[in-house]
Amino acid sequence: DAGVTQSPTHLIKTRGQQVTLRCSPKSGHDTVSWYQQALGQGPQFIFQYYEEEERQRGNFPDRFSGHQFPNYSSELNVNALLLGDSALYLCASSRDGWEQYFGPGTRLTVT
Amino acid sequence: GENVEQHPSTLSVQEGDSAVIKCTYSDSASNYFPWYKQELGKGPQLIIDIRSNVGEKKDQRIAVTLNKTAKHFSLHITETQPEDSAVYFCAASNRDDKIIFGKGTRLHILP
Repeated sequence: DAGVTQSPTHLIKTRGQQVTLRCSPKSGHDTVSWYQQALGQGPQFIFQYYEEEERQRGNFPDRFSGHQFPNYSSELNVNALLLGDSALYLCASSRDGWEQYFGPGTRLTVT
Repeated sequence: GENVEQHPSTLSVQEGDSAVIKCTYSDSASNYFPWYKQELGKGPQLIIDIRSNVGEKKDQRIAVTLNKTAKHFSLHITETQPEDSAVYFCAASNRDDKIIFGKGTRLHILP
């Protein structure tokens, strides 16, 4: 049984560019949450998707958007990248939004 | 706003001894408290969780306790082993069912 997978593993972008990160949830899970983890910090909630709709959102600007597909996989898009967007982006899947299982993350570096 | 405080930020214990990590939360509506272990280069791994209708939960060498009145919860690891070295995060749900993470505790198991 494959766990949560994310792609790509690492990504380097320039300020002002746009990026798309991808996530496939654990088998049997229908809810996907995205988190941003800065170095030395705990994960910060960006948003959560369920039934292809954004169900909740954290304190992140509209530059951060997402999508969930019918197969429950999800994308995180970030527009107009800033240096401060450099972080590890984590995807977590769950059946009920609670018991969340994380993927390995995508390390984004903005230069 | 909602907040989860975690202490200590760094903890060193001798192999075989016990380790205790403590967290406090501010939202009285919190009712789900997971603990995660994060190893270098990996995503957080759910190791144990507890809900507000339970005061204590144990899984082999790991136990969690919850005091809802005082709004604090703790992780106890007994008979520590070298593979327990990692960063541990506590988290709590808030009234909007979002998961809020603490800043983490770096646990070092000394030989």
